[in-house]
Amino acid sequence: DAKTTQPPSMDCAEGRAANLPCNHSTISGNEYVYWYRQIHSQGPQYIIHGLKNNETNEMASLIITEDRKSSTLILPHATLRDTAVYYCIVRVAANAGKSTFGDGTTLTVKP
Amino acid sequence: GAVVSQHPSRVICKSGTSVKIECRSLDFQATTMFWYRQFPKKSLMLMATSNEGSKATYEQGVEKDKFLINHASLTLSTLTVTSAHPEDSSFYICSARAQQGHTEAFFGQGTRLTVV
Repeated sequence: DAKTTQPPSMDCAEGRAANLPCNHSTISGNEYVYWYRQIHSQGPQYIIHGLKNNETNEMASLIITEDRKSSTLILPHATLRDTAVYYCIVRVAANAGKSTFGDGTTLTVKP
Repeated sequence: GAVVSQHPSRVICKSGTSVKIECRSLDFQATTMFWYRQFPKKSLMLMATSNEGSKATYEQGVEKDKFLINHASLTLSTLTVTSAHPEDSSFYICSARAQQGHTEAFFGQGTRLTVV
């Protein structure tokens, strides 16, 4: 898995968009960008993944730069329940489930 | 997304006893399951990869005789912590990958093991 760099913590006001950055400058051509989150004392929850195009689902949007060296996860309207540790992981699709978790970003959504 | 269930969610055991943790894929068949452990305020660390019908592959530094893994069916993998000691107290999490067509794996809710 390519190495990723994320800020250790971020705050966001409830109802505002939360933009979580991730740097992955050594990403390979066949590696996807995955995002998970872990709410305290629970297992990680899959959020979204993408290869090079921007992706959107019911939970979030993923913006990947054209050179693929960085990405941003966007939670469009953060709620208190979005407070969690967010992990950005870069890996090939065939390694689904076998992930190298870094320290992630602790997002705190404040009222 | 697909559902992966772990049981128990929380267990307390005495030092020297063994504890079995189950990981089930409820609505899909999982040829491969993965076991992680997580210490307080730390990230997840992969322990082993479990393939249905074959021996598990352990990560470096993980004792295979200590952490027995069995993947007897396409929907069930078990992790047995043998002769547990207080230092084995941790949060254990499994993930499961679908048989085909998926580039994603799904995680169980985790098992909090406390050895006293």
